[in-house]
Amino acid sequence: DGGITQSPKYLFRKEGQNVTLSCEQNLNHDAMYWYRQDPGQGLRLIYYSQIVNDFQKGDIAEGYSVSREKKESFPLTVTSAQKNPTAFYLCASSIVHEGETQYFGPGTRLLVL
Amino acid sequence: GENVEQHPSTLSVQEGDSAVIKCTYSDSASNYFPWYKQELGKGPQLIIDIRSNVGEKKDQRIAVTLNKTAKHFSLHITETQPEDSAVYFCAASPSYSGGGADGLTFGKGTHLIIQP
Repeated sequence: DGGITQSPKYLFRKEGQNVTLSCEQNLNHDAMYWYRQDPGQGLRLIYYSQIVNDFQKGDIAEGYSVSREKKESFPLTVTSAQKNPTAFYLCASSIVHEGETQYFGPGTRLLVL
Repeated sequence: GENVEQHPSTLSVQEGDSAVIKCTYSDSASNYFPWYKQELGKGPQLIIDIRSNVGEKKDQRIAVTLNKTAKHFSLHITETQPEDSAVYFCAASPSYSGGGADGLTFGKGTHLIIQP
């Protein structure tokens, strides 16, 4: 089965804690993305990566960090500097960055305790 | 950069009627336009897409039309069914240029409600 997986489905963060969201794809896509979605809102781009060992900030990168050490993996860390982390986080991938369909994972819901 | 406007934000139609969602874009270099459907608690799923070399594309009850001159494109759903209830997003992107052009820019979404 080809696709994008995200884990965990639900994640709870305590004050001052960093948490990491996992995203894995076996579609052999070069580009990967992280979006944040708040209730009733659209998709806001956090970070994206066009190739291994390279990534760029999106519109709302503050308080987040990423790495792209392997083509199939693009983990997102929500740091303690992100003061309002409660949201639905979506990972996506595409063959290349421009002009191609992005395929989305099932999402991770992050809640603050 | 690209800017995509989507209307309406909420659309309620009777089961069996048609639904139309409209998007406008600002960057004349955009030539790829996908539509996504997102059900509650799930990731968006691609339902149809169109490239600028065609004006219309159909897939069973779903169609997309594109007017490049006016910079707008629309999603048409005919014979709506309860399972069509979801949030729909449009998006726009330029083609690969090798110059690090932008990826997809999304509209803010339309909540489609099918009334039984």
